Amino acid sequence: EAGVVQSPRYKIIEKKQPVAFWCNPISGHNTLYWYRQNLGQGPELLIRYENEEAVDDSQLPKDRFSAERLKGVDSTLKIQPAELGDSAVYLCASSPSGSRDDTQYFGPGTRLTVL
Amino acid sequence: GIQVEQSPPDLILQEGANSTLRCNFSDSVNNLQWFHQNPWGQLINLFYIPSGTKQNGRLSATTVATERYSLLYISSSQTTDSGVYFCAALYNFNKFYFGSGTKLNVKP
Repeated sequence: EAGVVQSPRYKIIEKKQPVAFWCNPISGHNTLYWYRQNLGQGPELLIRYENEEAVDDSQLPKDRFSAERLKGVDSTLKIQPAELGDSAVYLCASSPSGSRDDTQYFGPGTRLTVL
Repeated sequence: GIQVEQSPPDLILQEGANSTLRCNFSDSVNNLQWFHQNPWGQLINLFYIPSGTKQNGRLSATTVATERYSLLYISSSQTTDSGVYFCAALYNFNKFYFGSGTKLNVKP
């Protein structure tokens, strides 16, 4: 079975520019997560979707970050405008039916560099 | 939320050596997972282990939920084991909290 797909793998932008990341979860997985991983640290949850509903976005900086999951499948995470501190790896993960009992499967991530 | 602490932060091993990685969490958790992040950044599931002991080849894990810790054992280490090992604890059936990881370097 295909894993979680993310694109692009790398992105370099100037500060104040917009950027978007795309994620395609494993087929049949209802739950989708976006994490941010800063250098030398573990991933931190930004937002979790159950199907198309965002059920936990408490850590998403809503002044500049937005996310959507149309039709409960693919998801897009957007930053506008980007700041220097947004440089990090953005990871997408999915699980079959929610975080209660299911293992998360991670994509390869998008490494964002803001200059 | 909860605090998840991993130790040691860095570990250097000679190929063939054994090691134990530790994960402490500050409150009762519903689930505990171990991941390996390879040098290319890919996170791979190792164990889903809310309690008890599991083994998979040279790796095994034990979680003692009542004492709020989990251990990951690596036996007969290989260079391909290098990378960062993370534990992640599910709290309130809501959110996974990751530790800062143990960076392992296995030398030939």
